[in-house]
Amino acid sequence: KQEVTQIPAALSVPEGENLVLNCSFTDSAIYNLQWFRQDPGKGLTSLLLIQSSQREQTSGRLNASLDKSSGRSTLYIAASQPGDSATYLCAVILDKLIFGTGTRLQVFP
Amino acid sequence: GAVVSQHPSRVICKSGTSVKIECRSLDFQATTMFWYRQFPKQSLMLMATSNEGSKATYEQGVEKDKFLINHASLTLSTLTVTSAHPEDSSFYICSARDPRKHSGNTIYFGEGSWLTVV
Repeated sequence: KQEVTQIPAALSVPEGENLVLNCSFTDSAIYNLQWFRQDPGKGLTSLLLIQSSQREQTSGRLNASLDKSSGRSTLYIAASQPGDSATYLCAVILDKLIFGTGTRLQVFP
Repeated sequence: GAVVSQHPSRVICKSGTSVKIECRSLDFQATTMFWYRQFPKQSLMLMATSNEGSKATYEQGVEKDKFLINHASLTLSTLTVTSAHPEDSSFYICSARDPRKHSGNTIYFGEGSWLTVV
């Protein structure tokens, strides 16, 4: 059974720091991996999608990497801002999405 | 704009009543839709996979008689919470797979529905 774990569960940092969020999964036979952002009381916003043949994707200050062999993905956030405060979820995609446990990020001014 | 629409976004119902949540794919025909539930400060948990024209596939621990899923058309799946209880209060979100896409982002999410049972 695929299990997806995210570390840390919560993170509080001052504005401007570079951050690394970790996602690990137990079964490397995934199709894609996707990172989402969820603001309190809101739905999901897709941030980055990494296909199984890719090793990383970048969008603005965000960079996500994927290492299928080790069952790991990282989301790197450069120069964090208070507006980045949210819960970040990774999800592995097989025939369905299996979500990670999430990382609650707070960036304070 | 949104490609998957979910309605209602918020609903309050009395304990013991049933409530229906709709999930529509707006510009594609979704043969497969997914329903997730999220309790406060927890991750999204897959409840069931909804297949058009056939019975939904429920995840272990999800009561199929309590959470009725109907996927009668290629653009609409409904989740009905029957005989709702306060512990069913949660955030429910659907997603749909675009079968036209074979790479890149193929799954789109609805905006979610907050259910409060009083």
